[in-house]
Amino acid sequence: GEDVEQSLFLSVREGDSSVINCTYTDSSSTYLYWYKQEPGAGLQLLTYIFSNMDMKQDQRLTVLLNKKDKHLSLRIADTQTGDSAIYFCAEVPGDGGSQGNLIFGKGTKLSVKP
Amino acid sequence: DTEVTQTPKHLVMGMTNKKSLKCEQHMGHRAMYWYKQKAKKPPELMFVYSYEKLSINESVPSRFSPECPNSSLLNLHLHALQPEDSALYLCASSYTTSYNEQFFGPGTRLTVL
Repeated sequence: GEDVEQSLFLSVREGDSSVINCTYTDSSSTYLYWYKQEPGAGLQLLTYIFSNMDMKQDQRLTVLLNKKDKHLSLRIADTQTGDSAIYFCAEVPGDGGSQGNLIFGKGTKLSVKP
Repeated sequence: DTEVTQTPKHLVMGMTNKKSLKCEQHMGHRAMYWYKQKAKKPPELMFVYSYEKLSINESVPSRFSPECPNSSLLNLHLHALQPEDSALYLCASSYTTSYNEQFFGPGTRLTVL
């Protein structure tokens, strides 16, 4: 089947904005998630967006959803060195929504240079 | 209490050993999950428990045996593992399987010699 696609690497300077992109597979996905994973740690849920929304803002984080193109993005404003991590997008396919089946992208490694 | 705890943090075992991984949450969640994560890869779903019953087994080999003794606890029993089973094993929980806001534990780093 198709994969959830993400670019593998992103490098930004401290204080700049970061934009991490994701293309998901199922147009009937109900929820889309962004997780952060620091080295050697578990996954931290950052934010999510419901499929009937176009945008969601939460402090420094802005999620944009384009359902027509099945495109999801995460913008981090004023990026800090502590934001360096791997960021995974994840979808819940329409037919798996009742079974908890999260499908993850391969992850984008964000490096923040001082 | 809004966290998922996992023990042990690290585990080294031989191919003939039997060991168990433990996961605990006290958020009242009724869905619990085991994932396997290899280096530089996304997590892969192994098992899903819903209301203490196994609802998904993603064709995982029988050398991995999950158990959900109660709504707060999830175990993963390991027996006769192979070196390729070395990975980070992550536990997660959510309110139910219909509400997929999953909270993850820190993981157990497993090395099979």
